[in-house]
Amino acid sequence: DGGITQSPKYLFRKEGQNVTLSCEQNLNHDAMYWYRQDPGQGLRLIYYSQIVNDFQKGDIAEGYSVSREKKESFPLTVTSAQKNPTAFYLCASRGTGYGYTFGSGTRLTVV
Amino acid sequence: AQSVSQHNHHVILSEAASLELGCNYSYGGTVNLFWYVQYPGQHLQLLLKYFSGDPLVKGIKGFEAEFIKSKFSFNLRKPSVQWSDTAEYFCAVDGAGSYQLTFGKGTKLSVIP
Repeated sequence: DGGITQSPKYLFRKEGQNVTLSCEQNLNHDAMYWYRQDPGQGLRLIYYSQIVNDFQKGDIAEGYSVSREKKESFPLTVTSAQKNPTAFYLCASRGTGYGYTFGSGTRLTVV
Repeated sequence: AQSVSQHNHHVILSEAASLELGCNYSYGGTVNLFWYVQYPGQHLQLLLKYFSGDPLVKGIKGFEAEFIKSKFSFNLRKPSVQWSDTAEYFCAVDGAGSYQLTFGKGTKLSVIP
């Protein structure tokens, strides 16, 4: 079945450490997205990429970085510069016809 | 820039009551509109979407939404809610050509048996 795989499901990070969240899709979608979900805040866009080797900042990009070396993969790095990284992170992709597909998410906790 | 406003943070209804959740968006051009649902402990699911055509859109589980262009609104409705509809509901907009899906802050629905 085609879809988006996010790993790991749960991730714990010590303060001051960088951590990378994985997002892989086998839908042949060109565009991919990273969102952060916090209670009462909805989903906020961190970064998005329309094509390989290109990406743009979303509304809350500070403290995050991404890469898009392959069409299937869009990893997100949460850097030590992100002051409040504990959150639920969702990856999404978009194909033709304006349909979006979401992964099952990664819950990151800083310990 | 596009934005979405959901009027209610938390709605509490008894079973069989009718539901209407408000959603207004801000964008200067053509839009695609979505309602997503997140059940407790589960991931985001698409309820319904509007791209063009009939402004009254029917989705899964008896939900529907009406796009009123003049009011920049896309309200979600269900004539009779069930306890199993307890969830958080998100309205989202994708401005044509923007390549961004912007979400509202969500409305938490609690249905009392």
